[in-house]
Amino acid sequence: QSVLTQPPSVSAAPGQKVTLSCSGSSSNIGSNYVSWYQQLPGTAPKLLIYENNKRPSGIPDRFSGSKSGTSATLGITGLQTGDEADYYCETWDNILSAGVFGGGTKLTVL
Amino acid sequence: QVQLQESGPGLVKPSQTLSLTCTVSGGSVNSGNYYWSWIRQPGGKGLEWIGRIYSSGSTTYNPSLKSRVTISADTSKNQFSLKVTSVTAADTAVYYCARETTKSIWQQLSNWFDPWGQGTLVTVSS
Repeated sequence: QSVLTQPPSVSAAPGQKVTLSCSGSSSNIGSNYVSWYQQLPGTAPKLLIYENNKRPSGIPDRFSGSKSGTSATLGITGLQTGDEADYYCETWDNILSAGVFGGGTKLTVL
Repeated sequence: QVQLQESGPGLVKPSQTLSLTCTVSGGSVNSGNYYWSWIRQPGGKGLEWIGRIYSSGSTTYNPSLKSRVTISADTSKNQFSLKVTSVTAADTAVYYCARETTKSIWQQLSNWFDPWGQGTLVTVSS
């Protein structure tokens, strides 16, 4: 069982907007910044968001991140079939002194 | 552009030691700005952070694996390595190496992994 909780699956239609949630506790999300990763089938994870809401160069502004309290959210607008992937949140846990990931959310664009 | 590449045996027998190496190109494991990390993913499951090494040689491990894991670096070859002892089927996974950036901002820690290696599948089986 993962330290961070993500819904196992989310689906939405092309062109729509979707939000993916990531819930933690005061020792992790509540105290530190969150990063998000996209894992396309059969590939390595790719950084989408760091420091809660910053996008690396090359990541389109359709992807956004936010954090409130002990939860974080990844937003994706203008959904495309190419966005079908698993999405993971990550942060540092101060009690474990370790990086922790969510269990991942499988996004289906149908 | 920094690139990472994992290498090592794809099959390890139960109770033996899993050994993997990550070769870094376009950057240096000696760089004082980054950690060098290992992350694994069992088939069909989520990501698990294994641990990391800093340029100084200091290491941090996931408490759930700490007793069996060692991460080291060979700066002459610009590589860092992972060893997991006494493996079982539960250690079967795709193993990734990644560069980890860590910053402290107003007493809050920010860390992220970028780039990642392509991953290598390690199967534990007799």
